[in-house]
Amino acid sequence: ELKVEQNPLFLSMQEGKNYTIYCNYSTTSDRLYWYRQDPGKSLESLFVLLSNGAVKQEGRLMASLDTKARLSTLHITAAVHDLSATYFCADMAGNDMRFGAGTRLTVKP
Amino acid sequence: NAGVTQTPKFQVLKTGQSMTLQCAQDMNHEYMSWYRQDPGMGLRLIHYSVGAGITDQGEVPNGYNVSRSTTEDFPLRLLSAAPSQTSVYFCASSYSTGAEQYFGPGTRLTVT
Repeated sequence: ELKVEQNPLFLSMQEGKNYTIYCNYSTTSDRLYWYRQDPGKSLESLFVLLSNGAVKQEGRLMASLDTKARLSTLHITAAVHDLSATYFCADMAGNDMRFGAGTRLTVKP
Repeated sequence: NAGVTQTPKFQVLKTGQSMTLQCAQDMNHEYMSWYRQDPGMGLRLIHYSVGAGITDQGEVPNGYNVSRSTTEDFPLRLLSAAPSQTSVYFCASSYSTGAEQYFGPGTRLTVT
């Protein structure tokens, strides 16, 4: 069965702190996706990781992929309030995309 | 470019009614998909299409039909609405299977 598990599901951070969101997936896929969703809004693509060892960075967010461990991480550096959102990882097996349950991030001043 | 558009934004149906959620994209994307989002469950794939005339089932296809007569449009039909279909529905498209997906604004559906 295709499974994508994220942890933590809820994360409350202080501004300026660092933290990592973890995404474990069950397929042998070599690509992994990260999306952001603001409350009441649609999803926005953050990263597409296409191979083992891939690392991508955008601002305070950095995503990496370890296909051997079937693990992707989303690292947040020096969090700011604007990063408060729900973050989803997703895996694609064939034509079928599966999403994790999401990590609701709240960054407090 | 308008990107991915969905109509309506909100809809209330009674149990047993049918309706069609519209989705269109103007980016000439081959891959289109429909998801439902329920609290605490992330998004689940309902149906997808890899090109005009080709559709297939996703994780939760029961109670829904799709068709893809053109590259641009990918409507989702609810055949006989049930309260369990109360959800937010998102349409998405991508240049090809596996490419990053662009999501529409969503349709919030309530079935009473």
